[in-house]
Parts: sequence; structure tokens; C-alpha cells
Amino acid sequence: DADVTQTPRNRITKTGKRIMLECSQTKGHDRMYWYRQDPGLGLRLIYYSFDVKDINKGEISDGYSVSRQAQAKFSLSLESAIPNQTALYFCATSDLRGYGYTFGSGTRLTVV
Amino acid sequence: LAKTTQPISMDSYEGQEVNITCSHNNIATNDYITWYQQFPSQGPRFIIQGYKTKVTNEVASLFIPADRKSSTLSLPRVSLSDTAVYYCLVGDPYSGNTPLVFGKGTRLSVIA
Repeated sequence: DADVTQTPRNRITKTGKRIMLECSQTKGHDRMYWYRQDPGLGLRLIYYSFDVKDINKGEISDGYSVSRQAQAKFSLSLESAIPNQTALYFCATSDLRGYGYTFGSGTRLTVV
Repeated sequence: LAKTTQPISMDSYEGQEVNITCSHNNIATNDYITWYQQFPSQGPRFIIQGYKTKVTNEVASLFIPADRKSSTLSLPRVSLSDTAVYYCLVGDPYSGNTPLVFGKGTRLSVIA
């Protein structure tokens, strides 16, 4: 099983719909992140959480919300999806032992 | 966070050594330099990290001069499967309270 699992892998949704992307990890890491990737733009940080009670906005948090249900679970929600939220979404985890970030395989979201 | 600058893209033939240089003029004393590799439609994966001088692992080597204002990722004898985007990041992996910022990276294309 993957260390960081994202569901669904692919999703097509309609404008205005609420959608949740889920992330779970078996790394035992405290820190979790949601990034968005658009072609040619690299990865941009949406939200991050350093522990269960900690939630922080990233550079592009507008239109998104998150929930840290447990150490191992961090969900990203789009309350009312719009077409320019079509992108590849990545969840990642890390700790403070210097071993870097571990990313999930991504969720490809299309808003029509 | 120290800003990094790296080439947008590079091309190489199979079997050649590829060197990707990253500049980070404002690197802080506790910062490390970390490189990630991202294949299409996959999440980035950690490949190497260093503080000074030279680090080598089974994937790559990382060269860091004494002033640490730049670093060079070296990929020996690249193959088609090394075609990917390579990200250079600078930060403190042991006590950082700021998430890593992924820029646009360097898109390496390996040609047969």
C-alpha cells in the first residue's frame, strides 16, 4: 500500500457542486499539505496542517477548505467548484527528521 | 524562505551527464538544499539533500560550494526515464515552520 493515498484518482464534476478530495497516510507524520498543480505553473500550496489542531492557509486558499480529521487524514473541499479549479491536486506529508516530503499520486479534478 | 532560481528547461541525449544549477543567494545558516523529481502525472519524490560540499546517492550527486549560494544537481549518464521536472528547494528540514515552496522547476527532456 502507498504511504500517502489520495482518493479519488480522477473526478469530473459540474460547476457549483461540492466536492471533497481525501488524503490518508501511513507514515505517522504530523505535517500534511495540499498542493495544486497547473500546467507550467509548478506546485502551489493551498493549505497545510502541522498537527491535528493546526490549519493554515497557503498561497491560494480562496475557494477551498480543509479538515484534519486525524493525524493520518487530511481532506480538501471545494464548496462550489468552478472551472478554473480544474487541476491536479497533490497531498503530501512530512516530519522534522529531514527526510523530505512524501507525496500522494494525485487527484485529477475536472470541473465542467 | 530563500528564493531559488533554476533553468526552465534543459535537453540532453541519452548517456550524457546532466548538471542542473540552482542559485539561492539568500540561503540561511540552517537551510538545506533539497531536490525533488517529478514524472508526468505523479507526485514529486525526494531525490537528494545536502548542506555543504558533496552528497552522492544511487540517483544523483549534489555539489554545494563553500558559499552555499548555489548548488548543482548532477545526473550521471541519463536515460529516457530521467525525463522529468526537477525542483530545487531551500529550507530547514529540522525545525522549519514554513512549508516548502515549489517553483516551476527545470523540465529535463532526454532524447534518444
